[in-house]
Formats: sequence, C-alpha cells, structure tokens
Amino acid sequence: GENVEQHPSTLSVQEGDSAVIKCTYSDSASNYFPWYKQELGKRPQLIIDIRSNVGEKKDQRIAVTLNKTAKHFSLHITETQPEDSAVYFCAASLTGALNFGKGTSLLVTP
Amino acid sequence: GAVVSQHPSWVICKSGTSVKIECRSLDFQATTMFWYRQFPKQSLMLMATSNEGSKATYEQGVEKDKFLINHASLTLSTLTVTSAHPEDSSFYICSAPNSVYTGELFFGEGSRLTVL
Repeated sequence: GENVEQHPSTLSVQEGDSAVIKCTYSDSASNYFPWYKQELGKRPQLIIDIRSNVGEKKDQRIAVTLNKTAKHFSLHITETQPEDSAVYFCAASLTGALNFGKGTSLLVTP
Repeated sequence: GAVVSQHPSWVICKSGTSVKIECRSLDFQATTMFWYRQFPKQSLMLMATSNEGSKATYEQGVEKDKFLINHASLTLSTLTVTSAHPEDSSFYICSAPNSVYTGELFFGEGSRLTVL
C-alpha cells in the first residue's frame, strides 16, 4: 500500500518567516495530495490540495508543489502568523481513503 | 461544502462495555465512509472502509469483531467498539468523500473515547 513520509516532525519559526514541510510517497499511481491542518482535539481541516496533473498551486500565503518524478510534494507557508501554529498532515491517495504522513507540529513564535 | 457530523464528541465508559459512534453525512449521500483512529500526538490511521449495503473492509491488524461497522443507509455509518479496554482509548474520526468524488474527504468532528 501507499506509504507517506513527512519531515520534519517539529518545526519552530519566528512570526513572519516561511515554513516548509516535505512529504514523499511510495505509490506512483497516487494522484491526489492534500494538506490538512489540525488543532488540538479538533478535526483535520483541508488547507490546500494538488492533483498529479499540476506542479504547483497557491492560495494566498500557502502553496504546494508536486514533483511526480521524485514522488515528493511540499507545503510552503509564507509570512507565518501565530495562528498558523498547529499540526500539519500531508496525505496521498489514488481513490478512496487518504494515507497520512506522521504530521509536523508547527510553532510560530511572536 | 459537504458536512459530516459525528456523535458523541466524547464518551467515557467502563472496561468491558460497548460504545457506539455515529457518523452522518448531512447534506449529501455517502456510499462510502472511512473510519480513522488517532492516538495522542500521532497520525490518523485508517481502520476500515464502510460501504453502504455491504460489509466493511478492515485494514490489516484491525479486529473486525471488536470494531463493528454498519453502514445501513446512504447517510449513516456506525462504529461500535465492543468490550472496550483502556488501550482502545483514542480519537475516532469518520470521513466521507462527497458525491461527486474529487478526492477530498470531509471529516466528522471526531469522538474521543476514554475507557476506564
């Protein structure tokens, strides 16, 4: 089955700096790559996603890049704010269930 | 967007008892729902895929006799943790793809189970 690796497990940045989280996947047939933000005790919230026919997608301060050849994708958050502090999960799927990475705990310090 | 509602949001039970968690798609029909389990500071792990009108498909290592899944209608799936033990304490989250499957999953609020 699909195996998704995510790095780093923790990330601390100062407010205003950029944060980058990277993921790799194993199944070259996977074609959907979402990123979720989860606050403590809450459900995951989709923040951005990308499909295999696109190399990059941006939504305001958040962007995702996908390298199908290398089977990796990354989340970029610019101008980080304290409210960006949360756990971020990448995931991959072909159809159906999402396979999640282990998560990155992001801390943005004022 | 599509809304998935899960109930109860938290439950405490005694060891050996059974607990039922409900997952409803409120504004769309879901022939498939996915049940995840999340232990503290860990990722979401897929437990099983619930299929309306047929048996659920369980992931390797998940005991189907312990985690009973029923998907009796197009808007309701239930997970019953039978003979619960403290090690079953976890955050259980259901999810469903929308009717026009785009890949995105919509998650319920989650149910925090604590077994004493």
